[in-house]
Amino acid sequence: DQQVKQNSPSLSVQEGRISILNCDYTNSMFDYFLWYKKYPAEGPTFLISISSIKDKNEDGRFTVFLNKSAKHLSLHIVPSQPGDSAVYFCAASSYNFNKFYFGSGTKLNVKP
Amino acid sequence: DAGVTQSPTHLIKTRGQHVTLRCSPISGHKSVSWYQQVLGQGPQFIFQYYEKEERGRGNFPDRFSARQFPNYSSELNVNALLLGDSALYLCASTLGDRYHEQYFGPGTRLTVT
Repeated sequence: DQQVKQNSPSLSVQEGRISILNCDYTNSMFDYFLWYKKYPAEGPTFLISISSIKDKNEDGRFTVFLNKSAKHLSLHIVPSQPGDSAVYFCAASSYNFNKFYFGSGTKLNVKP
Repeated sequence: DAGVTQSPTHLIKTRGQHVTLRCSPISGHKSVSWYQQVLGQGPQFIFQYYEKEERGRGNFPDRFSARQFPNYSSELNVNALLLGDSALYLCASTLGDRYHEQYFGPGTRLTVT
């Protein structure tokens, strides 16, 4: 029973353009959503998060959008850089953060 | 400042054996979570511990158990290993039990033959 889904296993983008990574969830009880970035042979690194009371959160080149009615969130990276090439996971949790659900990841390749 | 550390890095075990994986959180962090990541999938939540108490548990069989020590380090134990237990086991620490920002270790790669 996968409560968080990333339907695109991979994405290829030209350097300087926008990368849009998508994530869908099924559980309306989720209160917090997070994006993680993972390089090979390393653990995931926290990137950006958003609370369910917001619909947008920005941090430099990274913006996360939340559409609660559609149970959908997306991560925008502008402009994309070759160093952004990694696997991106979205995750969700309820307000007490005692359990996190991860999507299966999207591998982003930013071409120079 | 040291990040989350895990030991061992790699491990090969035989079906039916038992394994113990170890995790040391970032200094000052009091909560530790364990995840299993099978190839091609995202991390699956196994346990969360805070102040030595279990605060969350994922859908894993009773063969999986964990504990947290007074210094906040943690062990994950898996009994009666199955081939399907082969995975990367990740540990993550957070400052407390109500913090969303998790810091992950590099993981322990377990292979069951």
